[in-house]
Amino acid sequence: AQSVTQLGSHVSVSEGALVLLRCNYSSSVPPYLFWYVQYPNQGLQLLLKYTTGATLVKGINGFEAEFKKSETSFHLTKPSAHMSDAAEYFCAVSDGGGSNYKLTFGKGTLLTVNP
Amino acid sequence: NAGVTQTPKFQVLKTGQSMTLQCAQDMNHEYMSWYRQDPGMGLRLIHYSVGAGITDQGEVPNGYNVSRSTTEDFPLRLLSAAPSQTSVYFCASSWGGEQYFGPGTRLTVT
Repeated sequence: AQSVTQLGSHVSVSEGALVLLRCNYSSSVPPYLFWYVQYPNQGLQLLLKYTTGATLVKGINGFEAEFKKSETSFHLTKPSAHMSDAAEYFCAVSDGGGSNYKLTFGKGTLLTVNP
Repeated sequence: NAGVTQTPKFQVLKTGQSMTLQCAQDMNHEYMSWYRQDPGMGLRLIHYSVGAGITDQGEVPNGYNVSRSTTEDFPLRLLSAAPSQTSVYFCASSWGGEQYFGPGTRLTVT
């Protein structure tokens, strides 16, 4: 069975500072990995995904993540935080291939950006 | 395209009542799923479907039924609502390794 651990349920950064949200996963097969963002009272929006190929993936709004198989990690980063980045972020894994409709989510990390 | 739509947006039920949460997509995706979101728990898979007429259970299926008679629609039924089913419910459709989420239904059971 797959699982996702997001380290830190709440991360607070200053505007302009580096954003680092941590995600570790477990999977018995090569995974597909995703980061989603949820703004207050809204649905989930895909930030970026890793399926195969290049391990550094770039997403929307200046975010990127690196798949590190040896560390079973998929941490999300952004060099300079904006106030508009304040939201909840979810890491998710699927077993790839034909089962990408079944996602296992982490519990989420709430990002606060201070002026 | 409207994408994934869900109705209603908000609903309050009394314990023991039944209701159906509607989900529709216009992208001709074969795969559809229902998740519930609870504070501090992330999203958990309730049921999913790989095509019309085919459904299966996810992580937290108890108390919920689904059916898939068409590619477009994937309703979620609560037969006898319980306070533990108070949650935000998201429907999603999937294609090409990516899931597309609806806006959610916020359900309160008193």
